Amino acid sequence: AQTVTQSQPEMSVQEAETVTLSCTYDTSESDYYLFWYKQPPSRQMILVIRQEAYKQQNATENRFSVNFQKAAKSFSLKISDSQLGDAAMYFCAFMDSNYQLIWGAGTKLIIKP
Amino acid sequence: DAGITQSPRHKVTETGTPVTLRCHQTENHRYMYWYRQDPGHGLRLIHYSYGVKDTDKGEVSDGYSVSRSKTEDFLLTLESATSSQTSVYFCAIRKTENTEAFFGQGTRLTVV
Repeated sequence: AQTVTQSQPEMSVQEAETVTLSCTYDTSESDYYLFWYKQPPSRQMILVIRQEAYKQQNATENRFSVNFQKAAKSFSLKISDSQLGDAAMYFCAFMDSNYQLIWGAGTKLIIKP
Repeated sequence: DAGITQSPRHKVTETGTPVTLRCHQTENHRYMYWYRQDPGHGLRLIHYSYGVKDTDKGEVSDGYSVSRSKTEDFLLTLESATSSQTSVYFCAIRKTENTEAFFGQGTRLTVV
């Protein structure tokens, strides 16, 4: 069975600094999708970024970028110039061949002013 | 927000009572999902639907049933609520099978 592991239950970063959240996954498939979602205290789940496994280029959305290492089955999220509004739970998710999303347990990101 | 509304947003109910949560979407997307979120587990799939009257079980479906009689509504029913079903429930839609999910605001359910 596919699994998604987020090994950092909590991370903290100084405002304006850069932080990287880790995610690893286990699969035997070659084509799949990976996602990072953000969940602020409002509880709303918000898509941050998406990566297709067949694409070698790492996805980027403004201050958010990923480091996708397919062979290592690693999908880390880098947040540059951290802002107070980035404080949230961050979830990594893997979409399997049945199009179901498998979720990590989440990383709580704290931004220090 | 992809036009997704969950109701109610909060509910407290007693053990053994039936509970129905509603998910309503305004954009006629085919794929709808119910997840539960518990600390340390991320999101876990309860049931999903790929069209009117077409539903299937997820990994934690025991104790839950669903119905989808109209494209826009996906109902989750706890036939006899138990304390282990205290959780935050999220509805999600997908525009196509292989795209990202968009979520409702969540329903916090407490079973006492």
